[in-house]
Amino acid sequence: DVKVTQSSRYLVKRTGEKVFLECVQDMDHENMFWYRQDPGLGLRLIYFSYDVKMKEKGDIPEGYSVSREKKERFSLILESASTNQTSMYLCASITPGGSNQPQHFGDGTRLSIL
Amino acid sequence: GNSVTQMEGPVTLSEEAFLTINCTYTATGYPSLFWYVQYPGEGLQLLLKATKADDKGSNKGFEATYRKETTSFHLEKGSVQVSDSAVYFCALSLNNDMRFGAGTRLTVKP
Repeated sequence: DVKVTQSSRYLVKRTGEKVFLECVQDMDHENMFWYRQDPGLGLRLIYFSYDVKMKEKGDIPEGYSVSREKKERFSLILESASTNQTSMYLCASITPGGSNQPQHFGDGTRLSIL
Repeated sequence: GNSVTQMEGPVTLSEEAFLTINCTYTATGYPSLFWYVQYPGEGLQLLLKATKADDKGSNKGFEATYRKETTSFHLEKGSVQVSDSAVYFCALSLNNDMRFGAGTRLTVKP
């Protein structure tokens, strides 16, 4: 089974801090994604990556950046955390096999910015 | 662009009741369609999928049929259990673009 592991389940940070959320997958997937999940809004795509050192902006990239130095690891960075970034963050990966493949998700990181 | 609309929740049912969660989509081509489930404190898990028109996806007693004529992929289960309480997401995927609905929270009471 594919395993997507997010480093923290719960995280509390202060406004203005630089925050790192880590995600690792163990199935050699090339495509990885970061979403945020908010009530009533579903999942919104922040950034995605199709290969090492490659990144593409999703629908809501403002205030975020990402790093993909190794194939298995995709990091989300909040450059200067703000209270409106309090949310659930979900990482996902997928094997490049066309659009009929499902994404595999981590358990999420619930981030609170105080 | 591509998008998914699913019925708003929350939905509260008694055990053994029939469940329908409506999902419709808009797409520029012929997407693959998915239902994901999110149990409390967890990430999303694939529940079922369908990749072409008239396909029926099924898993754990849940079913959904890909209806191209009505651009729909409604989720159904004949008899829900307390353990089905979760948030359900409808999603489409087309040309590496995956879109999710807003999610429907289901609570099943004994």
